[in-house]
Amino acid sequence: QQQVKQSPQSLIVQKGGISIINCAYENTAFDYFPWYQQFPGKGPALLIAIRPDVSEKKEGRFTISFNKSAKQFSLHIMDSQPGDSATYFCAAFLAGKLIFGQGTTLQVKP
Amino acid sequence: DAGVIQSPRHEVTEMGQEVTLRCKPISGHNSLFWYRQTMMRGLELLIYFNNNVPIDDSGMPEDRFSAKMPNASFSTLKIQPSEPRDSAVYFCASSLAIGELNEQFFGPGTRLTVL
Repeated sequence: QQQVKQSPQSLIVQKGGISIINCAYENTAFDYFPWYQQFPGKGPALLIAIRPDVSEKKEGRFTISFNKSAKQFSLHIMDSQPGDSATYFCAAFLAGKLIFGQGTTLQVKP
Repeated sequence: DAGVIQSPRHEVTEMGQEVTLRCKPISGHNSLFWYRQTMMRGLELLIYFNNNVPIDDSGMPEDRFSAKMPNASFSTLKIQPSEPRDSAVYFCASSLAIGELNEQFFGPGTRLTVL
């Protein structure tokens, strides 16, 4: 019940395309859902986050869509760029702890 | 701002040896987290501190692992004795406080290889 399931494991997108990464959770007590971006050799960094009382949050080319009833949320990267190539982690927060999904490795081809 | 500082960046050791990983959180941050990242298990929280006090160590895999935070600017994660299955990247992160709206800032990690 503490798990966050993320898919796909890897994703290849052409430059200018839309990248979509999906996550699902079981525990309805999770109260905050951040996405982290990690480049090779670096630590994860917060990209964007959403609370469960909001259905969508947009920051630049990055959008989180949140479906509370389905217990699912997704990250959309519009106009994907080669510089977006990284590993993306969804996460869920509860009682001081972040539970991370398994990660999605995104490759944006020029 | 130097960010979270971790040392060493890479550590290669032999099975049975003691390993100590070090972390300096961002100045002014009161919460510190230790994570482990592997291909098989992803990113796992091992332990976190608030105001230098361990709050939750339920993620520490076994008694071979221990963590301390003697002051607000330094923490260690020790593995004794180390085993090959401990090979992973270990991250330290810090935040202003505990709570969902307090962003966790990650360090660059320590890549540990146990032969």
